[in-house]
Amino acid sequence: GDSVTQTEGQVALSEEDFLTIHCNYSASGYPALFWYVQYPGEGPQFLFRASRDKEKGSSRGFEATYNKETTSFHLQKASVQESDSAVYYCALGEASSSFSKLVFGQGTSLSVVP
Amino acid sequence: EAAVTQSPRNKVTVTGGNVTLSCRQTNSHNYMYWYRQDTGHGLRLIHYSYGAGNLQIGDVPDGYKATRTTQEDFFLLLELASPSQTSLYFCASRGLGANTGQLYFGEGSKLTVL
Repeated sequence: GDSVTQTEGQVALSEEDFLTIHCNYSASGYPALFWYVQYPGEGPQFLFRASRDKEKGSSRGFEATYNKETTSFHLQKASVQESDSAVYYCALGEASSSFSKLVFGQGTSLSVVP
Repeated sequence: EAAVTQSPRNKVTVTGGNVTLSCRQTNSHNYMYWYRQDTGHGLRLIHYSYGAGNLQIGDVPDGYKATRTTQEDFFLLLELASPSQTSLYFCASRGLGANTGQLYFGEGSKLTVL
């Protein structure tokens, strides 16, 4: 079946650092791609999505570009803040299920210190 | 704002016990999901449904049953609980339309099987 791989399990940064969290996918067909964020004690929240090659999704200063050639959707932010500390999930919506089934990656825990 | 409510928020049971986790959404969403969250595995899909009486099998269904009794209510049943089912369980809902793929999550139900 379709799958998502996030390379980093944990990332530790200082405020104003540049963030990259790597996400690669394996899918049959043309999936939709998503980023979600989860703060402590809460359920995950939708961050943004992209549904076609070279489309950029963005929200709250975070962005990612759908790359069909490299099967990637890497999350970036130019200058992180302590409030960005959270777990970030990359996910894909399976084309074979008309995008009704979402598959998540393992998650990346981001810690930002002042 | 979409609302998904889970109960109980915390549950402790013994091996072989019977557990029901409940989820109610008040957004008139068609789709509802049950995920489990475990360190190193991220969010894994157990079951999902696109309407009352419908059930779709997810990626880790073994040991779990689910039932969608109404558009609002989706239940996860563990009839013979095992320690491997100790986890944090999330329910989510999704509607149709422009934001296809955006899931709204509840706050989670922590289950401990002794």
